[in-house]
Amino acid sequence: SQQGEEDPQALSIQEGENATMNCSYKTSINNLQWYRQNSGRGLVHLILIRSNEREKHSGRLRVTLDTSKKSSSLLITASRAADTASYFCSFTGFQKLVFGTGTRLLVSP
Amino acid sequence: DGGITQSPKYLFRKEGQNVTLSCEQNLNHDAMYWYRQDPGQGLRLIYYSQIVNDFQKGDIAEGYSVSREKKESFPLTVTSAQKNPTAFYLCASNPTGPNQPQHFGDGTRLSIL
Repeated sequence: SQQGEEDPQALSIQEGENATMNCSYKTSINNLQWYRQNSGRGLVHLILIRSNEREKHSGRLRVTLDTSKKSSSLLITASRAADTASYFCSFTGFQKLVFGTGTRLLVSP
Repeated sequence: DGGITQSPKYLFRKEGQNVTLSCEQNLNHDAMYWYRQDPGQGLRLIYYSQIVNDFQKGDIAEGYSVSREKKESFPLTVTSAQKNPTAFYLCASNPTGPNQPQHFGDGTRLSIL
């Protein structure tokens, strides 16, 4: 399967703490993207990192990419209750966007 | 505001019945996609279209059909051949292809009566 693997499957933290989730994949990629999904809603694009980039920031989000290890991580700093959602990595494989299995993040007040 | 509209939000299917899920976008995007989401399995690609009157099968196309007669519209039919249709269905679009971020609708939840 081309599907990416995300780790952990679920993460529970307190407001103000940082949340880190990881994504691994098996194919060569053009870029890697991260999406957020609130319960019962569609996905929202968060950030895209190209295969020749190693790190990218957007507000409280920091994404790293290690193409030698075929892995990426998403760090959310100073988390808020509103960050509670599922987070998916995705990458382009064989002309299709392939999604990981997701990490469910719960941020408690 | 531009976006993607999926309807209905909830849909129920009887045994042996075909049902059609609607997806409309006003983003002027060429490419559109249909995904199926089951609990714990992420998203799986059903069909995609990169231009009007053309579409390709994704990873799980069996039991589904699509059409792309207009740029704005990409309806998905779940046929009676799909034996396990209960899932959350998501439609997405982007300007030209899979390397770009996708915009998603808010989904249709299909259940069997």
